[in-house]
Amino acid sequence: DAGVIQSPRHEVTEMGQEVTLRCKPISGHNSLFWYRQTMMRGLELLIYFNNNVPIDDSGMPEDRFSAKMPNASFSTLKIQPSEPRDSAVYFCASSYRGRGHTEAFFGQGTRLTVV
Amino acid sequence: DAKTTQPPSMDCAEGRAANLPCNHSTISGNEYVYWYRQIHSQGPQYIIHGLKNNETNEMASLIITEDRKSSTLILPHATLRDTAVYYCIAGAFGNEKLTFGTGTRLTIIP
Repeated sequence: DAGVIQSPRHEVTEMGQEVTLRCKPISGHNSLFWYRQTMMRGLELLIYFNNNVPIDDSGMPEDRFSAKMPNASFSTLKIQPSEPRDSAVYFCASSYRGRGHTEAFFGQGTRLTVV
Repeated sequence: DAKTTQPPSMDCAEGRAANLPCNHSTISGNEYVYWYRQIHSQGPQYIIHGLKNNETNEMASLIITEDRKSSTLILPHATLRDTAVYYCIAGAFGNEKLTFGTGTRLTIIP
């Protein structure tokens, strides 16, 4: 497996524009996570899904952020409208939630810059 | 999840064992200790986890004190590629929410 695939790797956009980040989890995994990393706040969990259903979105900063998982192989994180303070690296991770330990596998991240 | 405390930074000479401490004095009985690391510009990577017994895999060893209030991650023969931020996380088994702290920035010195 190629691992968790995120696109784009880098995104530069102007304030007010809509931004969509994409994630393809590892095949067979049933849980998916979106994290945000900044120097000030470190790694923060934004939302996670299990079997395509959002389980906990308490980390989503505000209504400008939304996430979807239409099927087991694809998820999006959308910011509309984007603001300069949204600049960060966004990571997607996936894992298999079963009876055993759930090791999370992370993608390479999307570096978002809002100017 | 129990709070964990780690030193902000450490240095280790290449080829020597790197010992990274973690304090988790409020850990509860059903919480495991997980270690992840993040090499610059990459996503975090799982290293190892344990409950109360010492654990070893191809990457590292995990030593957990008998009272489970602290643990040490050991990289037996550190290489330059081990330079990274190491995160110690306490979480219930099967709990998928990983709460990352500030971690320890480990620098391997040639």
